[in-house]
Amino acid sequence: TQLLEQSPQFLSIQEGENLTVYCNSSSVFSSLQWYRQEPGEGPVLLVTVVTGGEVKKLKRLTFQFGDARKDSSLHITAAQPGDTGLYLCAGAQEGGGNKLTFGTGTQLKVEL
Amino acid sequence: DTGVSQNPRHKITKRGQNVTFRCDPISEHNRLYWYRQTLGQGPEFLTYFQNEAQLEKSRLLSDRFSAERPKGSFSTLEIQRTEQGDSAMYLCASSLVGPVEQYFGPGTRLTVT
Repeated sequence: TQLLEQSPQFLSIQEGENLTVYCNSSSVFSSLQWYRQEPGEGPVLLVTVVTGGEVKKLKRLTFQFGDARKDSSLHITAAQPGDTGLYLCAGAQEGGGNKLTFGTGTQLKVEL
Repeated sequence: DTGVSQNPRHKITKRGQNVTFRCDPISEHNRLYWYRQTLGQGPEFLTYFQNEAQLEKSRLLSDRFSAERPKGSFSTLEIQRTEQGDSAMYLCASSLVGPVEQYFGPGTRLTVT
């Protein structure tokens, strides 16, 4: 069973601070997706990375896929209260119908 | 709105009862996935369909669980003889064949008392 471990599990920071969330596995993934989830709602797709070493930016969010396609990171610059939520990484492997294996999640709280 | 929809949003049932959930995917999406998420955890894969064919089922999907997608459009997930351990958020997602992006519905929160 492939596992995706996320760290940290919880993060509470002040508005304006920077943060990085890590997603690590011993397995290779053909693609990796990042989602954000609000309480009582489904996950909302933020980004998909498919190439080793790929970096994608979404406003203040920067996503990177590791060279070996086993790990990924999410960096948020100048966090805002609206960034509060559960961040989930999810990997797909070739030949598996693109079913996703999700990480354990990082609960982020950004306070004023 | 043409996103993924799920009904009901919340379901409270007594242990031993049967429940059925419905998922309506994005209209042109061939693939439909079911996941289960318990409190404090990431979603776990249950099963997926490509058109009307159910192509894979997780070991998590016991004999009490059955899923259908009869015309390759909406899907239903039925749980028979519910147990307290079935309490969770049941999520549906859809995608096209090929692209990896999956789009999730709002989920059905099941509480078994």
